[in-house]
Amino acid sequence: GAVVSQHPSRVICKSGTSVKIECRSLDFQATTMFWYRQFPKQSLMLMATSNEGSKATYEQGVEKDKFLINHASLTLSTLTVTSAHPEDSSFYICSAKEQVIYNSPLHFGNGTRLTVT
Amino acid sequence: EDKVVQSPLSLVVHEGDTVTLNCSYEVTNFRSLLWYKQEKKAPTFLFMLTSSGIEKKSGRLSSILDKKELFSILNITATQTGDSAIYLCAAGYNNNDMRFGAGTRLTVKP
Repeated sequence: GAVVSQHPSRVICKSGTSVKIECRSLDFQATTMFWYRQFPKQSLMLMATSNEGSKATYEQGVEKDKFLINHASLTLSTLTVTSAHPEDSSFYICSAKEQVIYNSPLHFGNGTRLTVT
Repeated sequence: EDKVVQSPLSLVVHEGDTVTLNCSYEVTNFRSLLWYKQEKKAPTFLFMLTSSGIEKKSGRLSSILDKKELFSILNITATQTGDSAIYLCAAGYNNNDMRFGAGTRLTVKP
């Protein structure tokens, strides 16, 4: 089945530094990938929709300059948390849809647990 | 405003019980209704429903969609402790939009 690899699974960084999270579709092409944030005991909150070769579409309230998204190829999207602060600590998950399959379900990465100290 | 509402938000049952999880939706240009199970990490796909009245079944889990009343249910029979998880439903709409419900946290006690 379709596999989405997300890396790293866990990262601890100091306040003020930037962290890059990668999301790769391993065996399919994904023109669209999605980035979510999940707080403890809460559901997934969509942050942005990442489109290959164009600018990402951000949800209301999500800072574009804070959460930089790049979707340079059909199999890779990256989320960079810039100048991270402790309040950015969270669980970040990406998902992707198979390009060629109509109404394809989302395939999720395993998530990245970010801790900013 | 597009929205997906799940109920109950939390449910505690004992092994062997049957549970029904509810998901109602209001979205424009509805395409599909999806159910996911989330344990410790990322959600895993359970079902995708696009047609009303056709039950999808996988082992002890089953789901059905009612596009007239705009809701779906997920049934789990003979629950086991391994069924403990957050169950998320999501409505796919427009071309690529998807909205998740808040999830139902199911706890199955031995």
